[in-house]
Amino acid sequence: EVQLVESGGGLVQPGGSLRLSCTASAFTVSSNYMTWVRQAPGKGLEWVSVIYSGGSTYYADSVKGRFTISRDNSKNTLYLRMNSLRAEDTAVYFCARDSGYAFSDYWGQGTLVTVSS
Amino acid sequence: QSALTQPASVSGSPGQSITISCTGTSSDVGGYNYVSWYQQHPGKAPKLIIYEVSNRPSGVSNRFSGSKSGNTASLTISGLQAEDEADYFCSSYTSSSTRVFGTGTQVTVL
Repeated sequence: EVQLVESGGGLVQPGGSLRLSCTASAFTVSSNYMTWVRQAPGKGLEWVSVIYSGGSTYYADSVKGRFTISRDNSKNTLYLRMNSLRAEDTAVYFCARDSGYAFSDYWGQGTLVTVSS
Repeated sequence: QSALTQPASVSGSPGQSITISCTGTSSDVGGYNYVSWYQQHPGKAPKLIIYEVSNRPSGVSNRFSGSKSGNTASLTISGLQAEDEADYFCSSYTSSSTRVFGTGTQVTVL
């Protein structure tokens, strides 16, 4: 059964850093497109970043230059390194498998990131 | 990367049909047949219900259907049921190789 489990969320001060992890089961992360999506409390979904199977990466303008998506093939895990965090980055962060045709068929349960002093 | 535009809320009685619109530009919705729709119940992860404009994943009810005309995509829910009460989001591939979500629509079953 395909499963995605996020971890690494928590409380961080403005300007701080955090690394989110997303461990996959029953499929290979490196052979798929993988994406991060976030949802601020009470708000809609916001696409954050995607990494293609070939390694190309793309980011939303709101996080470009501050966030980095990566993966560890040996651990079958996707990461999101978040630097220079702002209050507006507070959200539940979901990882998802991207089909390659820009739809996400499997999602994790999400991990909450709170940026506050 | 502006969010796609959806109505904030749509409601209908059980058994009725409702349609949710999703309006973008020629750089996203209008330019590609890579529009998808997601259903999200409170506190849950989104669930894919339509991909590539009009395709349903295995296990999704055939009461859900999708279409597109120009820069606007639509999701229709027919035979509305209480369990359909949820938030719905559209998404599209963009000319920048990114993705963009819609603003979201809250569906209420009266």
